[in-house]
Amino acid sequence: DAGVTQSPTHLIKTRGQQVTLRCSPKSGHDTVSWYQQALGQGPQFIFQYYEEEERQRGNFPDRFSGHQFPNYSSELNVNALLLGDSALYLCASSSGRGNYGYTFGSGTRLTVV
Amino acid sequence: QKEVEQDPGPLSVPEGAIVSLNCTYSNSAFQYFMWYRQYSRKGPELLMYTYSSGNKEDGRFTAQVDKSSKYISLFIRDSQPSDSATYLCAMKDQGGKLIFGQGTELSVKP
Repeated sequence: DAGVTQSPTHLIKTRGQQVTLRCSPKSGHDTVSWYQQALGQGPQFIFQYYEEEERQRGNFPDRFSGHQFPNYSSELNVNALLLGDSALYLCASSSGRGNYGYTFGSGTRLTVV
Repeated sequence: QKEVEQDPGPLSVPEGAIVSLNCTYSNSAFQYFMWYRQYSRKGPELLMYTYSSGNKEDGRFTAQVDKSSKYISLFIRDSQPSDSATYLCAMKDQGGKLIFGQGTELSVKP
């Protein structure tokens, strides 16, 4: 049974560019959340998608947007990249509101130069 | 003040030692408490999951939640070199998002 799959694993972008990260949730999960993890820090919540709608959003600017597809997979888009956007981006899936825990993918490491 | 506080360590112990990891939090509404283990360059892996106060044991791992003190702990018995990782505590809010501590880096020396 595949867990959470994220692509790509690594990415290098230039300041000002746009990036799209992708996530396929664990089989049976319908909710996808995205987190940003800076080096040496815990993950920070970006937003959560359920039934193709953004259900909850963290303290991130509008440059961060997302989408969930009918098959529950999700994309994270970041526009006008800043050096400070360099981080590990993690996707987590769950069933409903995650009362039985969240499963994380291995993440996409984004470097902005 | 951060919602969740965790000592970042690093913590170094000899193989076989008992390890105690702790977090404090400020939001008394938290009901779901989790511990994740994260190896270098990997995503967090759920270790323990507790609802409300009390203890939960799974093999060498024991999680404790004291809601009156807003304090949670993870104990690792008979620690092994393979336990070397970063341990993250997390609390789930009513909306479903996880609020993480900074993570404690643990090294178990053979």
